[in-house]
Amino acid sequence: GAVVSQHPSRVICKSGTSVKIECRSLDFQATTMFWYRQFPKQSLMLMATSNEGSKATYEQGVEKDKFLINHASLTLSTLTVTSAHPEDSSFYICSASPAGGLVGGYTFGSGTRLTVV
Amino acid sequence: RKEVEQDPGPFNVPEGATVAFNCTYSNSASQSFFWYRQDCRKEPKLLMSVYSSGNEDGRFTAQLNRASQYISLLIRDSKLSDSATYLCVVEGTGRRALTFGSGTRLQVQP
Repeated sequence: GAVVSQHPSRVICKSGTSVKIECRSLDFQATTMFWYRQFPKQSLMLMATSNEGSKATYEQGVEKDKFLINHASLTLSTLTVTSAHPEDSSFYICSASPAGGLVGGYTFGSGTRLTVV
Repeated sequence: RKEVEQDPGPFNVPEGATVAFNCTYSNSASQSFFWYRQDCRKEPKLLMSVYSSGNEDGRFTAQLNRASQYISLLIRDSKLSDSATYLCVVEGTGRRALTFGSGTRLQVQP
């Protein structure tokens, strides 16, 4: 089945630094990947839609200059949290599905737990 | 009003019990519907899709009522391993991003 690999699984960084999270589709090509964020005891919230070869589409309230998305190939999308602050601490998850769709839903990466100190 | 609403629970049930979760969604144009399971501090994993005709997978039965914009999940003969948060998920039109409910927590007790 479709596999999505996400790294790192956990990162602790100092306030003001930047953190890059990678999301790879291992056995399929994904023209579109999605980035979600989940705060404790809350639902997953879509942050942005990553489109291969073009600019990402950001959800309302998500700062595109703070959360940089690069989708340079059909198998890799990266999310960079720039100048991270403690309020950016969260669980970040990517998802993708093969071109044409995956019957029954989408595959998620294993998530990245970001802690900004 | 939230796009996808669920009772947060928790539902505390004994092993072997039958438990039902409900979910409502606000966008009548929604195309596809799913139940995902999320274990603590892990990514969500697809449990099953939901079809208008209703569908069953072992101990799990899902149903969709488009007229009422209502989705349900029934778990029979609960196991300890069923303890998790169950997410009601809706796929809208156009872009293929998913909208998640806040989840219903299930705790199956011995």
